[in-house]
Amino acid sequence: QVQLVQSGAEVKKAGASVRVSCKASGHTFRSYDISWVRQAPGQGLEWMGWISGTNGNTNFAQKFQGRVTLTTDTSTNTAYMELRSLRSDDTAVYYCARETYHDTVGFYIDYWGRGTLVTVSS
Amino acid sequence: DIQMTQSPSSLSASVGDRVTITCRASHSISSYLNWYQQKPGKAPNLLIYAAFSLQSGVPSRFSGSGSGTDFTLTITSLQPEDFATYYCQQTYSAPRTFGGGTKVEIK
Repeated sequence: QVQLVQSGAEVKKAGASVRVSCKASGHTFRSYDISWVRQAPGQGLEWMGWISGTNGNTNFAQKFQGRVTLTTDTSTNTAYMELRSLRSDDTAVYYCARETYHDTVGFYIDYWGRGTLVTVSS
Repeated sequence: DIQMTQSPSSLSASVGDRVTITCRASHSISSYLNWYQQKPGKAPNLLIYAAFSLQSGVPSRFSGSGSGTDFTLTITSLQPEDFATYYCQQTYSAPRTFGGGTKVEIK
């Protein structure tokens, strides 16, 4: 079955960087895109960006432009999200998620990782 | 960016009630609208994609409708396991924005 296994919780100081990994199994890695979504404590879902499994193209929400890098390692079926210049309001659970696409229905997220809590302390 | 506005932000309902949640897009998104359910401490779970297509394994009491800018998620007979927070998401254009969520609580 499809699984997305994320790396463990992180505690970082303000100004530092964090890298979260997301290892996929149970499907052909290159055939799907990976989105990253975060959720601050008690808040809603926030779409951060997306990376194509086919060609590595990326797209980010404007607020994360220049501060986030998304990559994939097809040899290990792992996606990575790096967020730099961390601030206290970056404290959140970060989810990786598999996107499925069909011509007539567009994109939808059908599998999610369990989330990685990133805590940023000042 | 396309803004997604959900209403209400929360509601109280009883088991067996019919519940309706609305989602409005700031621009037309055709039918590129998905609905997710999230329970505390868990990742979201896909309920509906492309406005009205029921994801495999999701009970038929969940249904979606709408196109353009106005969409609805309906739960026809609320069950105890349906108390959760529901989010809409548009995938018409990037960034693929989510609505603010609707928390369904027990009356």
